[in-house]
Amino acid sequence: RKEVEQDPGPFNVPEGATVAFNCTYSNSASQSFFWYRQDCRKEPKLLMSVYSSGNEDGRFTAQLNRASQYISLLIRDSKLSDSATYLCVVNGAAGNKLTFGGGTRVLVKP
Amino acid sequence: GAGVSQTPSNKVTEKGKYVELRCDPISGHTALYWYRQSLGQGPEFLIYFQGTGAADDSGLPNDRFFAVRPEGSVSTLKIQRTERGDSAVYLCASSLTPAGVDTGELFFGEGSRLTVL
Repeated sequence: RKEVEQDPGPFNVPEGATVAFNCTYSNSASQSFFWYRQDCRKEPKLLMSVYSSGNEDGRFTAQLNRASQYISLLIRDSKLSDSATYLCVVNGAAGNKLTFGGGTRVLVKP
Repeated sequence: GAGVSQTPSNKVTEKGKYVELRCDPISGHTALYWYRQSLGQGPEFLIYFQGTGAADDSGLPNDRFFAVRPEGSVSTLKIQRTERGDSAVYLCASSLTPAGVDTGELFFGEGSRLTVL
């Protein structure tokens, strides 16, 4: 089983709609969780951290469910510019590296 | 420049050749990471440096791969006897401190795309 697993998608989303997707992680000792965004043929960039109580950043909402070992990302009022691959990231067992999921591809269409 | 710089941006080589990929991190960042990303996959951890020492090299796939950071700044990833399966984008990232891992603030370079023919 991979340490971090994501549905690869693509999620085809009409502009203005809401989309949500999850990521599961295998190491119950993981403490830090993040979503990164990666545009086509570009480097990953931090989108947001995920806190235990859940957190929002504009149209983006992240949730953490420790009991079921998954994190989620919800995008409201999707924009064309939200089209990207969203990478779920978890700190590894050793605590010194970040382990990336395979990414979920989101395509927002007019 | 202000960001992480990687050279070369593209490298085409023949099977069996030796390759070096360079990473120049953000000035003052003590932690440096190498990841490898194949098409359609997420970045795969290779090695992490804190200062000059390799704090975690558990992701290096085999002994053909080696990385150094002799002065605690620039790092070089070295691949011997390249194989077609080594073809990927090699990403370097830096963070201000190891605690940067906990805040998720890894700053990536644009990557070096390696193609082994």
